[in-house]
Amino acid sequence: SQQGEEDPQALSIQEGENATMNCSYKTSINNLQWYRQNSGRGLVHLILIRSNEREKHSGRLRVTLDTSKKSSSLLITASRAADTASYFCATDYSGYSTLTFGKGTMLLVSP
Amino acid sequence: DAGVIQSPRHEVTEMGQEVTLRCKPISGHDYLFWYRQTMMRGLELLIYFNNNVPIDDSGMPEDRFSAKMPNASFSTLKIQPSEPRDSAVYFCASSPQYAVNYGYTFGSGTRLTVV
Repeated sequence: SQQGEEDPQALSIQEGENATMNCSYKTSINNLQWYRQNSGRGLVHLILIRSNEREKHSGRLRVTLDTSKKSSSLLITASRAADTASYFCATDYSGYSTLTFGKGTMLLVSP
Repeated sequence: DAGVIQSPRHEVTEMGQEVTLRCKPISGHDYLFWYRQTMMRGLELLIYFNNNVPIDDSGMPEDRFSAKMPNASFSTLKIQPSEPRDSAVYFCASSPQYAVNYGYTFGSGTRLTVV
């Protein structure tokens, strides 16, 4: 399988804490994207990081990419109950024009 | 724009029946993707279109599955005959040109249950 793999599979934290999710992948990529999926809904694009970038920020989100380790992390700072969702990484492998999704991390933020 | 619109939201059908799922992509998006999501296998790409032309259908599980895109604003995914193992959430997504350089916009999905 060419899927990325998220770690951990599930994460439970309190409001105000930071949440860190990791993604590992197998072959060279052009870019890596993170998505959020609320229960019963479609996926929503959060952020894209290119292979020549190491870090990117968007609001409370911080994404890092280490191409030497073939891994990425998503950090959500000062989490809120509304951040409760599943988070997926998606990769486009060099030579392919589609995204391959991991199985996601389920994040539960308790008030 | 109302986003990617899928219908129906839920479909319950009996084994052996034909099922048709529908998708309206975002106007101006050149790419359309059909994904299937299950707990066991996660999100799987079934087929994608570029400018209404099917590019890669290698993810379609078997001949019972077919997809069409007769114009830029409409696509269908058909399962005939349906089987219980087809039960899943089916997502349609669209993206501008050079799709992998942009985020995909997903519809809300169709939850299919085959009994």
